Amino acid sequence: EVQLVESGGGLVQPGGSLRLSCAASGFTFSNYWMSWVRQGPEKGLEWVANIREDGSEQYYVASVRGRFTISRDNAKNSLYLQMTSLRVEDTAVYYCATVKGCGTSTTCHWHYWGQGTLVTVSS
Amino acid sequence: EIVLTQSPGTLSLSPGERATLSCRASQSVSGSQLAWYQQKPGQAPSLLISGASGRATGIPDRFSGSGSGTDFTLTINRLEPEDFAVYYCQQYGSSPLTFGGGTKVEIK
Repeated sequence: EVQLVESGGGLVQPGGSLRLSCAASGFTFSNYWMSWVRQGPEKGLEWVANIREDGSEQYYVASVRGRFTISRDNAKNSLYLQMTSLRVEDTAVYYCATVKGCGTSTTCHWHYWGQGTLVTVSS
Repeated sequence: EIVLTQSPGTLSLSPGERATLSCRASQSVSGSQLAWYQQKPGQAPSLLISGASGRATGIPDRFSGSGSGTDFTLTINRLEPEDFAVYYCQQYGSSPLTFGGGTKVEIK
């Protein structure tokens, strides 16, 4: 059974940092592109970042480029999202998800999703 | 940017009835690269349909997707109690990828 378990969310002040983790099991993690997708109260569902199977390429939505870094450790079956310079508008539930297919490197859709971790940016 | 408009916003139906959900795109969706997801309260979205009409693994055949170009439909035949949820469409053919605003299927 595919399982994706996110952790690391919480309350942070604007300008602060957080590191999200996603532990994967039940499938061959190193064979899949992975993504972070968020769901916020204002913007709804929004793709955040993608990473290739081997971690050699990363792609970001414009609003987080330069502030967020996606990475993975295939030996640990884990996906990460380092978030810095957080803004109020980054408040959302963050999901890690397995990519099922892509039209382009930044336009994918997702098969399996974790349960999400809530990030709240507020003073 | 392709804007996806889902209608109706809310659909009130009884178990056993058929649900017809619409997703209209502001421009043609390349290669019918459109997905449908189901989301229940407190849960993550779950993939139902990709490529406009291909059911994901384990999805019952009462769920079907159709359409091309700018008009897409998700049909749920014989609603089961577990089908009452919010449904989203998403296009992944053009950058930026976009989601519709969702249709809530509620028990009448």
